[in-house]
Amino acid sequence: ELKVEQNPLFLSMQEGKNYTIYCNYSTTSDRLYWYRQDPGKSLESLFVLLSNGAVKQEGRLMASLDTKARLSTLHITAAVHDLSATYFCAVDRGGAQKLVFGQGTRLTINP
Amino acid sequence: DGGITQSPKYLFRKEGQNVTLSCEQNLNHDAMYWYRQDPGQGLRLIYYSQIVNDFQKGDIAEGYSVSREKKESFPLTVTSAQKNPTAFYLCASSVYGTGGLEQYFGPGTRLTVT
Repeated sequence: ELKVEQNPLFLSMQEGKNYTIYCNYSTTSDRLYWYRQDPGKSLESLFVLLSNGAVKQEGRLMASLDTKARLSTLHITAAVHDLSATYFCAVDRGGAQKLVFGQGTRLTINP
Repeated sequence: DGGITQSPKYLFRKEGQNVTLSCEQNLNHDAMYWYRQDPGQGLRLIYYSQIVNDFQKGDIAEGYSVSREKKESFPLTVTSAQKNPTAFYLCASSVYGTGGLEQYFGPGTRLTVT
């Protein structure tokens, strides 16, 4: 059974600081996805990582994938308040187009 | 505009009543999904459908039912057998593209049962 675990689950940080969210998964997969969710809202796709060593960057967010370690990271550089949200990683279960989601990391960025 | 619509946004029901949540997409996607999200939790898969007139149970299907009579529509019924139905329900559709599994989410329906 595929399991996806994120850490930390809660993260409070100051503007201007850097931090990393980790996403570990239990079985082999080459496809990993990152989503953002604002309070009371739906999920918005951030990054799609499709191979070992893949790195994607958008603004202050950078995601990477190490399929051998079964690990993805979402790095936040010089955080700003607008990045406050819950971030989910999800792994492709394969076959039937199903994703398994991590528990989410609630990120709060304080001025 | 292409996308997924869910209605209503908020739904209140008394315990013991069945309730149906609507999900419509005009993205021409074959696959559709229903997820449940509880406060502070991730998404859990209730049902999914890869093609019209076919659907499969997800991880937490007990107390729920679905139908897929049209490609565009995938309604979810929360039955009285669901013990803790209060939650945020998200519908999604997907297609495999060159960028992997492109899954799009609707705005969600927040169901409160008292």
